[in-house]
Amino acid sequence: DVKVTQSSRYLVKRTGEKVFLECVQDMDHENMFWYRQDPGLGLRLIYFSYDVKMKEKGDIPEGYSVSREKKERFSLILESASTNQTSMYLCASSLDNSNQPQHFGDGTRLSIL
Amino acid sequence: DQQVKQNSPSLSVQEGRISILNCDYTNSMFDYFLWYKKYPAEGPTFLISISSIKDKNEDGRFTVFLNKSAKHLSLHIVPSQPGDSAVYFCAARIIQGAQKLVFGQGTRLTINP
Repeated sequence: DVKVTQSSRYLVKRTGEKVFLECVQDMDHENMFWYRQDPGLGLRLIYFSYDVKMKEKGDIPEGYSVSREKKERFSLILESASTNQTSMYLCASSLDNSNQPQHFGDGTRLSIL
Repeated sequence: DQQVKQNSPSLSVQEGRISILNCDYTNSMFDYFLWYKKYPAEGPTFLISISSIKDKNEDGRFTVFLNKSAKHLSLHIVPSQPGDSAVYFCAARIIQGAQKLVFGQGTRLTINP
């Protein structure tokens, strides 16, 4: 079974802080993704990566950056947290194969006070 | 610009009956469609998918129908069971989109005993 592990289930931070969300997958997947889920908006793609040290902007990258130094780990960074970044953050990974689904972690609920 | 829309935020169905969840899309470059199921406090799990070259795919109690001319897909669950109560997301992939998915807003399905 594919296992995508997000380091924290719940996180509370203050505005202006630099926040790191970590994600690790154990299935040697090439692709990794960061989404945020908000009520009424579904899942929106922030950033994704299809290889080590490679990254691509998703639909809502503003205020975020990412790091992928190793194949199994994909980090999301909030450079200077703001209250509108309070959300559920979901990490996913997939094989580099056209019809393979993405597998998700259980999410990190982040609150910015 | 919501390219994938689930217009029903919620749906309530009696146990044993059919559940039909709907999804509309606007981008004719989508070539692959997926349905995910999400329980509270868990990440989305892959349920079923369909390629744009097909109009139907079946897996046990779950069937997905694709109507390309109408840019519409639906998920049928027969018979519905209490464990099917969850939020369902449809997602679509753009051709040559490096596995990027665009998600709908989600539909909360409640199965009543």
